Amino acid sequence: SAVISQKPSRDICQRGTSLTIQCQVDSQVTMMFWYRQQPGQSLTLIATANQGSEATYESGFVIDKFPISRPNLTFSTLTVSNMSPEDSSIYLCSVDHPGLAGGTDTQYFGPGTRLTVL
Amino acid sequence: QKEVEQNSGPLSVPEGAIASLNCTYSDRGSQSFFWYRQYSGKSPELIMFIYSNGDKEDGRFTAQLNKASQYVSLLIRDSQPSDSATYLCAVTPGGFKTIFGAGTRLFVKA
Repeated sequence: SAVISQKPSRDICQRGTSLTIQCQVDSQVTMMFWYRQQPGQSLTLIATANQGSEATYESGFVIDKFPISRPNLTFSTLTVSNMSPEDSSIYLCSVDHPGLAGGTDTQYFGPGTRLTVL
Repeated sequence: QKEVEQNSGPLSVPEGAIASLNCTYSDRGSQSFFWYRQYSGKSPELIMFIYSNGDKEDGRFTAQLNKASQYVSLLIRDSQPSDSATYLCAVTPGGFKTIFGAGTRLFVKA
């Protein structure tokens, strides 16, 4: 499996500010994903990030609010812009890793970033 | 209709019992099926995957897939208090995007 780290692990931010979350993987991966998980809820996909191309955003998420960078095959950033209390959530980076035993690719998750917006 | 449906629970079982977690999915073309375990405050951890109809066993865990019924389940034998967590069912319809269910909370009582 891939080893994934995220920074920061948690942060408390003021309304109207922005936070950039970093995701680092120990191997080169094609697909990286950013999810949000609000308290007691399941995972909501924000966007898919491929190296060398624009991120693909899911319905309800826009680039101006959640700009993403993917400068190489082991790193990505997600910025949460102009934050409001509704953005308080856990943000998870995930990578698509080559299939196990010849099967389809499998997703592995980073430890997450717990964001609180006051 | 949600793409991946799970009973939110909580499901409560006594220690040593079999815990049965169920999941249905809407896309008949789905090809890959996963179970993730998520402890409170932690990120999801992959515990099982299955691609073919039938059963797949790994230690105390058995995944069961029935594509005709669009149904996948996870059995945990000899449940332990350390198995208490939220279990997420995930389905890959055929592209690269994985769809997650809302999760079932499992409590194993000592």
